[in-house]
Parts: sequence; C-alpha cells; structure tokens
Amino acid sequence: DAKTTQPTSMDCAEGRAANLPCNHSTISGNEYVYWYRQIHSQGPQYIIHGLKNNETNEMASLIITEDRKSSTLILPHATLRDTAVYYCIVRVAHRDDKIIFGKGTRLHILP
Amino acid sequence: GAVVSQHPSRVICKSGTSVKIECRSLDFQATTMFWYRQFPKKSLMLMATSNEGSKATYEQGVEKDKFLINHASLTLSTLTVTSAHPEDSSFYICSARDRGGSPLHFGNGTRLTVT
Repeated sequence: DAKTTQPTSMDCAEGRAANLPCNHSTISGNEYVYWYRQIHSQGPQYIIHGLKNNETNEMASLIITEDRKSSTLILPHATLRDTAVYYCIVRVAHRDDKIIFGKGTRLHILP
Repeated sequence: GAVVSQHPSRVICKSGTSVKIECRSLDFQATTMFWYRQFPKKSLMLMATSNEGSKATYEQGVEKDKFLINHASLTLSTLTVTSAHPEDSSFYICSARDRGGSPLHFGNGTRLTVT
C-alpha cells in the first residue's frame, strides 16, 4: 500500500499558487519525499524531492513540516499546462526500492 | 538530465499475438528498471522489477509467463505481452534510476490495444 494520503482532487485559478498537501505520517528517518506529476497519456514527470529541509527548483517548492509527517508542493504561478495528477511518494534515495503509487491528486487549473 | 525512452508509443495487435515493448535508459546505466501498467483514470500499478542479468521479480497477481521481462543490458529492458487478449489493453510504463542519482525517471508509456 502507498505510504501517503492526498486529496482526490483540487482546483486552482490560473496564475495563482497551487498548494498540494500530502500526509506521510509513517515516514522513516531515511525516506525522502518525492513528487511526480502525470499529464494525460504521458509517463510521470519528476518534480522535486526533499528530506527535511524545504526545497525549491525551477518547477516548484517543497515544504516539509518539522516532524516530517506531512508536506506541501507549491506551484507558484499555476498555468493551464500544470493540469495533471500529482503523486506524493516516500522512498529511500539512491536505492532501487520499488515505488508504489497512491491515487494522487487530480489538479485542475481553471482559466 | 536522465532520459528514459519507450518504444513503441502506441501499438495495436490482434488477439493471440505477442507484443514487445522496449525501455531504454538513454544517457545512464540502470541495473534495475520497473514496469507499470495503468488503466484509464487509475493510478500506476507496479507489475515487476527488472534486474539486469537476472530474473525479474513479479508483483503478486502478475503472470510471469504472460508478461515476459528481459533485462539483457544496463540500458535496455523489454516487456513482452504474450498471447495478448483484449483485457491486456492498457498503458504500460517503465522507469529507471541512474545509479549515481536519486529520482526515478519514467518513459512516456506505451498504449497497447488488443483487438
């Protein structure tokens, strides 16, 4: 079973920040939080990952709570092309452990 | 960045025939690749873990004689759907990790339609 829980769907207005939450209350000390997204009929795309510090890259920001039991992916200025299913996953980095996907959050960007 | 390529992107075949899907890591070596299938509006379901030079590890409920996996080199894994039936129609996706890196990278998937 997936180790994370996410809302089934969310709406966000174009140009606004999209904040996608994820709960991972059973995360282990050596597990990272990874975010992927899947645009319709494509393979999942890596977005960002982090261990305990907040992270930012050209796509998004990742905010991880101090107890590491939850995190939030932030798309700062959502566009219509950000409409996708977003998956939050926890796994150990630098190892070939299999990933079990949960149901993810279907994000709709509204014009 | 790391790129995983799948081929073909779409394939239509008749019932009873076999179909081979290729997954290549283009700019890195991968000792392990993963194969997923996905039904419409559903999440990805892990089918098997492909290990270079050894037998694949299949998830519970996945028929290993139906879905043959070969990982003959560090850059290529293949999934063969044998004696395909319409219920095998699905979206098949592979993924791999650069041994020196961290995130898994995914191919763009193969949509199989069995008529």
